[in-house]
Amino acid sequence: EPEVTQTPSHQVTQMGQEVILRCVPISNHLYFYWYRQILGQKVEFLVSFYNNEISEKSEIFDDQFSVERPDGSNFTLKIRSTKLEDSAMYFCASSESGPANTGELFFGEGSRLTVL
Amino acid sequence: DAKTTQPPSMDCAEGRAANLPCNHSTISGNEYVYWYRQIHSQGPQYIIHGLKNNETNEMASLIITEDRKSSTLILPHATLRDTAVYYCIVSRRNSGNTPLVFGKGTRLSVIA
Repeated sequence: EPEVTQTPSHQVTQMGQEVILRCVPISNHLYFYWYRQILGQKVEFLVSFYNNEISEKSEIFDDQFSVERPDGSNFTLKIRSTKLEDSAMYFCASSESGPANTGELFFGEGSRLTVL
Repeated sequence: DAKTTQPPSMDCAEGRAANLPCNHSTISGNEYVYWYRQIHSQGPQYIIHGLKNNETNEMASLIITEDRKSSTLILPHATLRDTAVYYCIVSRRNSGNTPLVFGKGTRLSVIA
């Protein structure tokens, strides 16, 4: 069964460092998303991406964050200068487009980011 | 903010049906009811969705009231592996521009 894969599974970084989280969405999917979940809290929407541009973003997704699809398969989330409060699990998701789109999001297993 | 109300937690005996309620009294005519679950800290997993008719798949059944203001997710024979947080989400059919908004969900504990 196709799945969304994320790397790394866990990353520890120092405050102020740049971090890139990588995702490989399901191959025929065209919509991509990043969510995050701070320990013990809700799953929060960050950004959606379609046709090589951001479709929608939340208030959390400020100038410190960026997304791109550099090579047609990977979908990355970059945090430019990490803060302690960026420590969270980051989930990538993808969905189909067109008539096959049931609205179902397929989530990866997440990348845990720990900022020290 | 999420437009649904769910009990924070529920228990269910293994092998029995788990009935998880959700209130969505402000649902619009073009909005669907989606159910996802999150086992421990894994990525959320889609379970089922519906508009106004009851739906069933290999995982669960979804019962939506006639006025669409509430719904119930039914896991017919709960197992220990069904222990998870279950999220009821109301959203327009996802065109990619409509992100799913997760609430706090219901923490279901299946007890042996």
